[in-house]
Amino acid sequence: AQKVTQAQTEISVVEKEDVTLDCVYETRDTTYYLFWYKQPPSGELVFLIRRNSFDEQNEISGRYSWNFQKSTSSFNFTITASQVVDSAVYFCALNSGGYQKVTFGIGTKLQVIP
Amino acid sequence: DAGITQSPRHKVTETGTPVTLRCHQTENHRYMYWYRQDPGHGLRLIHYSYGVKDTDKGEVSDGYSVSRSKTEDFLLTLESATSSQTSVYFCAISDYGLGNQPQHFGDGTRLSIL
Repeated sequence: AQKVTQAQTEISVVEKEDVTLDCVYETRDTTYYLFWYKQPPSGELVFLIRRNSFDEQNEISGRYSWNFQKSTSSFNFTITASQVVDSAVYFCALNSGGYQKVTFGIGTKLQVIP
Repeated sequence: DAGITQSPRHKVTETGTPVTLRCHQTENHRYMYWYRQDPGHGLRLIHYSYGVKDTDKGEVSDGYSVSRSKTEDFLLTLESATSSQTSVYFCAISDYGLGNQPQHFGDGTRLSIL
């Protein structure tokens, strides 16, 4: 069984603040894949990043960075110098077990206040 | 953007009526998925397909059936719609399996069952 927990249901920050969205996952498999998706108010789902279980390197893409720690089963997402356009629901997701199924967390709604 | 079209985009219908949602892709991807999105639950997998006429159940498959008679189309059918199936439905596609590629999503279908 696989499970994804996003304990923060809603977060509000003031523009230019840094914010970290937490994601904790559970799986018994040694090979798995983690994803982050963004859902802006317009409703579409936008892929942000994929990470496999053998690659613990952190990744940075502009103002976005991801911290993958197998020791704590976490895959956290940080937005630096947040902007109003970052306001969205962010989903963390997990695929494991060799099946083509993905388990999503319930999402974290981020509101960036100007 | 991945070529995924969901139809209809919005639908209102009555309890007990049959409903079919269509997902059409132009990417020739092998895998296709149907999810529903509800507040407090994130995205939950209904059914997925790993090839023409090959489908499997997800975690919330009761009350839903699917068919895939050709690579580009994946149909989701509610045989007798109930109010609990009011939701936003997303189709997703991926190629070569999730270990190599993330899913890409359609724009969603908002279904209201009165």
